[in-house]
Amino acid sequence: DQQVKQNSPSLSVQEGRISILNCDYTNSMFDYFLWYKKYPAEGPTFLISISSIKDKNEDGRFTVFLNKSAKHLSLHIVPSQPGDSAVYFCAASPMDSNYQLIWGAGTKLIIKP
Amino acid sequence: DTAVSQTPKYLVTQMGNDKSIKCEQNLGHDTMYWYKQDSKKFLKIMFSYNNKELIINETVPNRFSPKSPDKAHLNLHINSLELGDSAVYFCASSQSGGLYGYTFGSGTRLTVV
Repeated sequence: DQQVKQNSPSLSVQEGRISILNCDYTNSMFDYFLWYKKYPAEGPTFLISISSIKDKNEDGRFTVFLNKSAKHLSLHIVPSQPGDSAVYFCAASPMDSNYQLIWGAGTKLIIKP
Repeated sequence: DTAVSQTPKYLVTQMGNDKSIKCEQNLGHDTMYWYKQDSKKFLKIMFSYNNKELIINETVPNRFSPKSPDKAHLNLHINSLELGDSAVYFCASSQSGGLYGYTFGSGTRLTVV
């Protein structure tokens, strides 16, 4: 029962181009979504989030888009840099749950020089 | 000056042994978590403590017992280790709900042989 799905295990993008990471969810009770970035041998680090009342949130090179009707969100990184090579996790928080995050399986992003 | 530190980083042990993983955070957060990253790379919550009180206790074998002596510490004790317990275990902390992101430790890779 995978409520948060990241269907691409890996993605390879040329440096300087746009990276688009996708995430789909099944539970309409999710009202907050987060992206985390993870380097090997390190814990995930918080990257950017979006509330269900918004459809876009931007922070520097990172933009998250939320399409509630499609139950889909995406993370755009532009321009992509070598340091962006990492595993990106999508996570969702159910309504009225202050502590629970449901995680996707992650997408490994590889930025080619 | 690590925000969330967990020890040890690597743990190799034989089946049937009892082991502990320690976690400490110096961020002043009131909520701490244990996550397990399984072989398919999914991050699954195991336990969550808020102000030393257990608030999330997912379906994990009762061989796993968390202990929170104070808000800054959440240790994980595992009895009678089994091969299937091999995984990376992440400790994390957050403040009042975690919607602004968790801070993760760097993980403990447990290998049961």
